[in-house]
Amino acid sequence: DQQVKQNSPSLSVQEGRISILNCDYTNSMFDYFLWYKKYPAEGPTFLISISSIKDKNEDGRFTVFLNKSAKHLSLHIVPSQPGDSAVYFCAASKGGSEKLVFGKGTKLTVNP
Amino acid sequence: EAGVAQSPRYKIIEKRQSVAFWCNPISGHATLYWYQQILGQGPKLLIQFQNNGVVDDSQLPKDRFSAERLKGVDSTLKIQPAKLEDSAVYLCASSKGHQETQYFGPGTRLLVL
Repeated sequence: DQQVKQNSPSLSVQEGRISILNCDYTNSMFDYFLWYKKYPAEGPTFLISISSIKDKNEDGRFTVFLNKSAKHLSLHIVPSQPGDSAVYFCAASKGGSEKLVFGKGTKLTVNP
Repeated sequence: EAGVAQSPRYKIIEKRQSVAFWCNPISGHATLYWYQQILGQGPKLLIQFQNNGVVDDSQLPKDRFSAERLKGVDSTLKIQPAKLEDSAVYLCASSKGHQETQYFGPGTRLLVL
């Protein structure tokens, strides 16, 4: 049973526009959420996180929004750049555990 | 600061053979993780060490997989015997400790024929 779902395998946007990547989760015990970015032949790199006590966290061009009632989070990248082209993984953990549960990833392509 | 190192980067073996992967975490990181990432899936935690003790190995197929972290630094993950479905990228990650950011190595891509 997939507890963290990224239903869009891929997303293509134009440079300078907004990229919105979505993630849904089923386990209401999750209280910490993260986004990782992965380039080919490299390991995932931490991007941004949010605790369940917040509904928004911002870091430069990257903003994560959390809607606890809908069990949904999204990552906004504004403006998108060609170097943002990568696979983005949503991950979640619960109750102080360090165990991360990952989604399947969304491949973002930013076209010049 | 040097990142998480893993070797080898690629390995091709035949089914029923054995294989071992090595990981050197970031210096000073107490927690070490091994993940399995099958093509088209997200990483799945196999085992977590805190120093040289196992914190979570609930998803490790213990009949064929084993891992150790001697002296609380380097770690090895072994598969014996390998099956076709073990073909995946094996990622090692480390963190400073409880609820700290996990930093990933480049992974070892395993192909079992």
